[in-house]
Amino acid sequence: EVQLVESGGALVQPGESLRLSCATSGFRFSAYWMAWFRQAPGTGLEWVANIKGDGSAIYYVDSVKGRFTISRDNAKNSLYLQMDSLRAQDTAMYYCARDVNYSDAGGHYFDVFDTWGQGTMVTVSS
Amino acid sequence: AIQMTQSPSSLSASVGDRVTIVCRASQGIRNDLGWYQQKPGKAPKLLIYGASNLQSGVSSRFSGSGSGTDFTLTISSLQPEDFATYYCLQDYSYPRTFGQGTKLEIK
Repeated sequence: EVQLVESGGALVQPGESLRLSCATSGFRFSAYWMAWFRQAPGTGLEWVANIKGDGSAIYYVDSVKGRFTISRDNAKNSLYLQMDSLRAQDTAMYYCARDVNYSDAGGHYFDVFDTWGQGTMVTVSS
Repeated sequence: AIQMTQSPSSLSASVGDRVTIVCRASQGIRNDLGWYQQKPGKAPKLLIYGASNLQSGVSSRFSGSGSGTDFTLTISSLQPEDFATYYCLQDYSYPRTFGQGTKLEIK
């Protein structure tokens, strides 16, 4: 069974740092892109970043570029999100998700998030 | 960034009703669109990918259609477990962007 378990969420002050982890099991971790999402209280979902299986490609949403770093350790089957210079606007539930390429009958590939963790809460407040 | 606009933002319906949710992209995204369901306090769940392909294990009550800029998610006969919030997500380009969500409530 594919499982993703996030940890590391906490209450921190503005300007501080935090590192989130996502422990995975049940699939060949190194073969998959992985992603982080977030959801501020009472609002919608936001894609934050994703990373290729070998770490050679990474993408971020503009609002976290230069402050957040996504990384992975394939030997430990784990995904990370280093969050620096945290702001109140970063307060959210953070989810990790497996990023899979599905194809249709015509051979076109789609990038989908087929398995999600339960989330870890980050609160940035003084 | 591509903007995704869902309508309606909220919807009241009864068990057995047929409902349709619309998602519109600010530019053409081919059929690079997924639909996700989220229940309170839970992680999102993939329902549809490639605009119209049903994810394995998802009820056939759910169907999707569309291409280019206009997409729909239809639930053919609402069941109690379908009351949730639904999001579209484009995977045509980075940054990936969601619609603002449609909250489906019991009438």
